[in-house]
Amino acid sequence: DAKTTQPTSMDCAEGRAANLPCNHSTISGNEYVYWYRQIHSQGPQYIIHGLKNNETNEMASLIITEDRKSSTLILPHATLRDTAVYYCIGALYGYKLVFGAGTILRVKS
Amino acid sequence: EAGVAQSPRYKIIEKRQSVAFWCNPISGHATLYWYQQILGQGPKLLIQFQNNGVVDDSQLPKDRFSAERLKGVDSTLKIQPAKLEDSAVYLCASSLAVLFRGGGNEQYFGPGTRLTVT
Repeated sequence: DAKTTQPTSMDCAEGRAANLPCNHSTISGNEYVYWYRQIHSQGPQYIIHGLKNNETNEMASLIITEDRKSSTLILPHATLRDTAVYYCIGALYGYKLVFGAGTILRVKS
Repeated sequence: EAGVAQSPRYKIIEKRQSVAFWCNPISGHATLYWYQQILGQGPKLLIQFQNNGVVDDSQLPKDRFSAERLKGVDSTLKIQPAKLEDSAVYLCASSLAVLFRGGGNEQYFGPGTRLTVT
């Protein structure tokens, strides 16, 4: 599985877009980029995944660079409830996830 | 749709005692996972079941940990005897998981069981 690198923590103002970066320079051509988040005292929650194209769902948007070496998860209008640890994972299969330490996102009012 | 259920939510035991955790996955999900999450770290996969068969248990400390998934639905994870370093949150997850299909297969996690070994 691809090794990913994420900032340890980030702050974001409530109502603004939160842009969470992830580097995955060793990702192979058929490995997907998955994003999960974990709110305090809860289990992780799936957000979105993508291979090459940008993806959007009701929770977030995923922008993957053309060379696939990095990606950005975008929460368009962050709320206090989005405060969580965000995990970026490179994996061939969604049932083979290796979680790193993730990025702590703090949304502040 | 009911989510993944786990019990108990909290457990405190002394070292060398035994403990068991229970998980009920989302109805229809063939794949069930047990993860261990130590404070400040991401979850680490312990074991993965496909129906009632083990797909991956490479990171399960088999000298003290065991897990079963009878009838391909509920699952139990047992630790015997417990050590101080087993203090962690134990997470259960499930997914539809079509094996060897790339993409998708998102996992749904339960709330976890927080184990403290004293």
